Amino acid sequence: KQEVTQIPAALSVPEGENLVLNCSFTDSAIYNLQWFRQDPGKGLTSLLLIQSSQREQTSGRLNASLDKSSGRSTLYIAASQPGDSATYLCAVRPEIQGAQKLVFGQGTRLTINP
Amino acid sequence: ETGVTQTPRHLVMGMTNKKSLKCEQHLGHNAMYWYKQSAKKPLELMFVYSLEERVENNSVPSRFSPECPNSSHLFLHLHTLQPEDSALYLCASSQDSRRELFFGEGSRLTVL
Repeated sequence: KQEVTQIPAALSVPEGENLVLNCSFTDSAIYNLQWFRQDPGKGLTSLLLIQSSQREQTSGRLNASLDKSSGRSTLYIAASQPGDSATYLCAVRPEIQGAQKLVFGQGTRLTINP
Repeated sequence: ETGVTQTPRHLVMGMTNKKSLKCEQHLGHNAMYWYKQSAKKPLELMFVYSLEERVENNSVPSRFSPECPNSSHLFLHLHTLQPEDSALYLCASSQDSRRELFFGEGSRLTVL
């Protein structure tokens, strides 16, 4: 059974710092991995989608990497801003034929202090 | 604005009530999903519809009843719920069942 873990559960850093959020998964047979952001009481906003054949994806100040064989992904945020404060979730889609189910981690709650 | 709209945003209901949550997507996607988000738990997939056909029912109690009348609309009918069903219910859609997911803002449900 696929399990996704995100450590730490919460992180607080000063504005302007570069930071890395971690995601690990137990079964390397994945089709893709997606990073989301969730603001309090709101839905999820998709940040980046990495296919299993890719090593990384970039969008603005965000860079996500994928090491499928070791079951790890990282989300790098450059020059953090208070507006980046949110919960960040990663989710993997199993490689099983017909798998519609994303398996989510519990998220890392990020606070950027001005 | 993600292109996925959920109503109502907040709902309070008694255990004997019947209510429905609605989701509409304007993205031309053909797969739609209901997820449940409870405090201190990962998101849980409830139902998946692909081309208006239910393709996954993730052991959800029968007091939750989904309906997908067309590829743009998804409902979650609620009846005789329990207080532990209080949660944020999130709708999502994707171009097909393996593509990037886009979520709505969620419906916050409180069962008294």
